[in-house]
Amino acid sequence: GDSVTQTEGQVALSEEDFLTIHCNYSASGYPALFWYVQYPGEGPQFLFRASRDKEKGSSRGFEATYDKGTTSFHLRKASVQESDSAVYYCALGETSGSWQLIFGSGTQLTVMP
Amino acid sequence: GALVYQYPRRTICKSGTSMRMECQAVGFQATSVAWYRQSPQKTFELIALSTVNSAIKYEQNFTQEKFPISHPNLSFSSMTVLNAYLEDRGLYLCGARGWGTGQLYFGEGSKLTVL
Repeated sequence: GDSVTQTEGQVALSEEDFLTIHCNYSASGYPALFWYVQYPGEGPQFLFRASRDKEKGSSRGFEATYDKGTTSFHLRKASVQESDSAVYYCALGETSGSWQLIFGSGTQLTVMP
Repeated sequence: GALVYQYPRRTICKSGTSMRMECQAVGFQATSVAWYRQSPQKTFELIALSTVNSAIKYEQNFTQEKFPISHPNLSFSSMTVLNAYLEDRGLYLCGARGWGTGQLYFGEGSKLTVL
């Protein structure tokens, strides 16, 4: 079945550092890809999506580019702030006829002042 | 903007009792609703998918008898956890989407603690 892999369980950075969180997917079809962010005590918030190869999604300074060749959708931000500390989830829209989102295991980002 | 509200935010119940949770979409028509459970380890389990005027589809390991869901209109859904036990603990999330969109908008979740 379709799946999403996030290799970093935790990332610790200082303010103004560059962020990369890796996301790779496995799908038989052509899935839509998503990034969500979850703050403590809250539900996941939709950040952005991309639906086709080479499409870039972005929001709040975060961006990711859909790469069908490497089956990746890595999250990047040029300069992180302490307020970006949260758990980030990569997700894909299932391609088997169901519309559910399949989530990765999440990456805890901690940004120190 | 699209907002989803969930109620209650948290419930503590005795083992063997039941908990009902509600999900309200504001600012858009929730044609489809996905109910997830997020474990204390933060992993997501899909419980069921509900589309208005269609049958509710439950995932393996989740049944209508245990997690009955109602989705009567384009702004509201509810789910009940019947006979809750320790393994039912977690954050129950309602994700709603509107016409022609792929992303789900989530509420803040209903946290269930079972004693």
